[in-house]
Amino acid sequence: EAEVAQSPRYKITEKSQAVAFWCDPISGHATLYWYRQILGQGPELLVQFQDESVVDDSQLPKDRFSAERLKGVDSTLKIQPAELGDSAMYLCASSPPLDRLETQYFGPGTRLLVL
Amino acid sequence: GENVEQHPSTLSVQEGDSAVIKCTYSDSASNYFPWYKQELGKRPQLIIDIRSNVGEKKDQRIAVTLNKTAKHFSLHITETQPEDSAVYFCAALSGSARQLTFGSGTQLTVLP
Repeated sequence: EAEVAQSPRYKITEKSQAVAFWCDPISGHATLYWYRQILGQGPELLVQFQDESVVDDSQLPKDRFSAERLKGVDSTLKIQPAELGDSAMYLCASSPPLDRLETQYFGPGTRLLVL
Repeated sequence: GENVEQHPSTLSVQEGDSAVIKCTYSDSASNYFPWYKQELGKRPQLIIDIRSNVGEKKDQRIAVTLNKTAKHFSLHITETQPEDSAVYFCAALSGSARQLTFGSGTQLTVLP
């Protein structure tokens, strides 16, 4: 069964450093999402891509966060500089194109700890 | 935008008993409602979903009901087992961008 891949699984960094997370969606899934999940809460959407285009990044803190999906396949989420409050699980999810009513499938996540 | 509320936040049941988790949503245009199970440190995994043209769906020990008029949906787990212990999230899909809004989660503990 195909799965969403993410790396790294864990990342410890000091505040003010730059971090980057990578996601490879399920093959053929045109829509890709990045979520942030704080311990004890549900995932919150940061950015949504349809192919290589950003559909929604209204919740992305653009002063420090950036995301790209240059070839419409895998994606990178970057934080620069990292702050203590960024410590969380970063989840990537993918789904078929928007005209199909299907759920999102999540990757294993990257757990970020900012010291 | 959509707002999803989930109750209770924690639920403890004895093994073999039933568990019910309830969610309400605000956007009447929402038309797809998945439930995810998330074990500690792991990814959310889809366990069951329901579309707005269906009132109930069942898969073995798990069932979901949807009341579109009242804008609420519920997860029912029967004959609970210790391995059912996890955090369960409901979600609602809405908008032309097909975005999921998640509830705050329910920590289910099944006591042996």
